[in-house]
Amino acid sequence: NAGVTQTPKFQVLKTGQSMTLQCAQDMNHEYMSWYRQDPGMGLRLIHYSVGAGITDQGEVPNGYNVSRSTTEDFPLRLLSAAPSQTSVYFCASSYSSGARTGELFFGEGSRLTVL
Amino acid sequence: AQKVTQAQTEISVVEKEDVTLDCVYETRDTTYYLFWYKQPPSGELVFLIRRNSFDEQNEISGRYSWNFQKSTSSFNFTITASQVVDSAVYFCALSEAGNDYKLSFGAGTTVTVRA
Repeated sequence: NAGVTQTPKFQVLKTGQSMTLQCAQDMNHEYMSWYRQDPGMGLRLIHYSVGAGITDQGEVPNGYNVSRSTTEDFPLRLLSAAPSQTSVYFCASSYSSGARTGELFFGEGSRLTVL
Repeated sequence: AQKVTQAQTEISVVEKEDVTLDCVYETRDTTYYLFWYKQPPSGELVFLIRRNSFDEQNEISGRYSWNFQKSTSSFNFTITASQVVDSAVYFCALSEAGNDYKLSFGAGTTVTVRA
């Protein structure tokens, strides 16, 4: 099983450019989410989804868009990149109910630098 | 709002020493879930444990043990007889009933085990 696959692993953008981070999972998980990791701040939730067609905002949603057209895919779009969005981004998935809820499976991360 | 505090930013120990990582949480819910995740230098995030608020029994898994104390809102993690491979960033996280897939993470504690 591939688990959670994120692409690209590295990206450099100029301020104002847009891009999409791709995330796909093959575990049939209902729940998918995007976190950003910054030094000293842990992981902060950007957006999440509990199923196809359902998305919601997390703690730091500004400047990002998401959609969930299939169970497998949950892309994160940066609309107009800003230096404050320089970070490492993680996609994660899990079951949305039951004893394993919250046992997040993470992708390998995408390191984004905005100049 | 839920909150997780990991007051220790960095801990350095010599191999075979025990190390305890503190985690203090805040929540208004009576039903909630606590987690620990590990991020080794390679960068991936790995689930270690999930504990619900009604289960205050301590847990041991090999050299890892967890001490959950509701009275002090703490969920501490101890590595016994540490090894170099335990060097990592460790994150404590919390979720609440009804949104138990939606984790809030602490800032993390970096553990360095020296040979």
